[in-house]
Amino acid sequence: GEDVEQSLFLSVREGDSSVINCTYTDSSSTYLYWYKQEPGAGLQLLTYIFSNMDMKQDQRLTVLLNKKDKHLSLRIADTQTGDSAIYFCAESRNQFYFGTGTSLTVIP
Amino acid sequence: NAGVTQTPKFRVLKTGQSMTLLCAQDMNHEYMYWYRQDPGMGLRLIHYSVGEGTTAKGEVPDGYNVSRLKKQNFLLGLESAAPSQTSVYFCASRPGHLNQPQHFGDGTRLSIL
Repeated sequence: GEDVEQSLFLSVREGDSSVINCTYTDSSSTYLYWYKQEPGAGLQLLTYIFSNMDMKQDQRLTVLLNKKDKHLSLRIADTQTGDSAIYFCAESRNQFYFGTGTSLTVIP
Repeated sequence: NAGVTQTPKFRVLKTGQSMTLLCAQDMNHEYMYWYRQDPGMGLRLIHYSVGEGTTAKGEVPDGYNVSRLKKQNFLLGLESAAPSQTSVYFCASRPGHLNQPQHFGDGTRLSIL
């Protein structure tokens, strides 16, 4: 809702890096989130970044934030088959707004 | 750690039937939400609550009602189910501070025939 946009699909080979992109709408959003949804399950919080940061790293995950372009990305290093899932970005203003989700397929 | 629990997990209804989906959280969260998830459309907010006894409409509230009589429970009702309400429904909760992330249940898969 509210035009948080993501590509619908991404395929990568096992061991490669995955980059999932998101564009959001409101430069006043204070936190931006990445959630992971595995088949048949709910959304799990993966990581988040505060709007005054431009990068956050957490093990294999790197979040990059370009406030000028309102662009958020999630990089997964050394992608594994267990990373296959739908990834949602979300921004918080007065409400939470989720993107449409990117379905990541990891090819063995 | 139960977190957010949704019941039932699956349900099949006939058009015109009514039912209530229950969401329970044990984290003492102030805010609770109901979303529906449909292919290619991401999550759409149906209704939400900012505290016990309060509810508000989200993006797609028509055909649904909600109640928050107790802080830990948020009920979603379908008074007269329609095939367009076939979806996966997710409940979420979070603490009162705006920037705290939402915690999600595992979903209820609802089919309306």
